[in-house]
Amino acid sequence: AQSVTQPDIHITVSEGASLELRCNYSYGATPYLFWYVQSPGQGLQLLLKYFSGDTLVQGIKGFEAEFKRSQSSFNLRKPSVHWSDAAEYFCAVGYLGGSYIPTFGRGTSLIVHP
Amino acid sequence: NAGVTQTPKFQVLKTGQSMTLQCAQDMNHNSMYWYRQDPGMGLRLIYYSASEGTTDKGEVPNGYNVSRLNKREFSLRLESAAPSQTSVYFCASSEADSWTYGYTFGSGTRLTVV
Repeated sequence: AQSVTQPDIHITVSEGASLELRCNYSYGATPYLFWYVQSPGQGLQLLLKYFSGDTLVQGIKGFEAEFKRSQSSFNLRKPSVHWSDAAEYFCAVGYLGGSYIPTFGRGTSLIVHP
Repeated sequence: NAGVTQTPKFQVLKTGQSMTLQCAQDMNHNSMYWYRQDPGMGLRLIYYSASEGTTDKGEVPNGYNVSRLNKREFSLRLESAAPSQTSVYFCASSEADSWTYGYTFGSGTRLTVV
């Protein structure tokens, strides 16, 4: 069965510092990969997605993610974090065929210090 | 452009009571989904509707029923609420009949069962 792991429950960074949030998936087929952001009290918003093509994907709000098949990873990055980036971030993975609707990770909470 | 609208935003129920959570989207999306979000658990799929007239169970369907009323509306019903159903419920929709495009989420319904 498909699964996705976000190893870090909380990440704390200083404003202006770079950010990397980790995501690992497990399954044999080619995955569809997503990153979502959830601001406090809000629904989730799609940041970016990947299925094929260039393994470095650009998203909204200055985020990017890199697909590394050899490491089964899809880590989210941002070169310079802003205080408004403080939120919960979710990685999701899905597969075509059957009902392989995306499975979500448990989320990483990003705390930004001034 | 409202996107996905959920009502109510907050609800407190007594054990054994019933209620229906409403969801409507105005993006002409074919597919709609109900998720629940619990601390440390990420999002778990309750039910989904790939297209008007069809519904399927997700990961955690027990204790819930759904109705795809028309293309716009997808409701979630709790027939006899239990404290274990205390959660935040999110409705989502996706383009065409595939989640591969990513989801648009509503802002959620926070449900407490006492």
